[in-house]
Amino acid sequence: GQQLNQSPQSMFIQEGEDVSMNCTSSSIFNTWLWYKQDPGEGPVLLIALYKAGELTSNGRLTAQFGITRKDSFLNISASIPSDVGIYFCAGLYQGAQKLVFGQGTRLTINP
Amino acid sequence: AAGVIQSPRHLIKEKRETATLKCYPIPRHDTVYWYQQGPGQDPQFLISFYEKMQSDKGSIPDRFSAQQFSDYHSELNMSSLELGDSALYFCASSLGYLANGELFFGEGSRLTVL
Repeated sequence: GQQLNQSPQSMFIQEGEDVSMNCTSSSIFNTWLWYKQDPGEGPVLLIALYKAGELTSNGRLTAQFGITRKDSFLNISASIPSDVGIYFCAGLYQGAQKLVFGQGTRLTINP
Repeated sequence: AAGVIQSPRHLIKEKRETATLKCYPIPRHDTVYWYQQGPGQDPQFLISFYEKMQSDKGSIPDRFSAQQFSDYHSELNMSSLELGDSALYFCASSLGYLANGELFFGEGSRLTVL
């Protein structure tokens, strides 16, 4: 099936630092989404992107839909302890009937 | 606001036993999706239902079956359980099929097979 390559797999940062993660694919996507999963919880939608080049913010989070439609990135500015968790990119590629997920980026923050 | 409700939250079974997981979508949502997440893995799509009909099938084993009922709740039935079935099982719902990928996930049911 289609695969999303998400990187990095894990990040260890200091509180207050900015964070950047991305997702790439060999396929063209119509929709990119970023979800966050807290331990023992289900993923929660953070940001949804629908147009190539679109840049969308949600508080300290900013995500962009790549111009080629094959990638997306998520930035978190001035990280705080509650940002800890696993961030998943997800997407709907052309002709898809299901949502595919990246492998996740595990974010750990040192206070 | 009401969220997706899954039950049970935790389930322990022996090999070869059967298990049933239940999912109650957000009110008015007509589509449910089942995902399986192994330790350290991303969610893997199993199956989905739109308006009580199966809409898509992913990597769901033949030992598993699911359905969506008239009240839109869904049940995932797992038989002949294997150790490898131990995982978090998430149900998600949406208003309309796929809804541009904006799915609402439940808190998951953790299945442990001994």
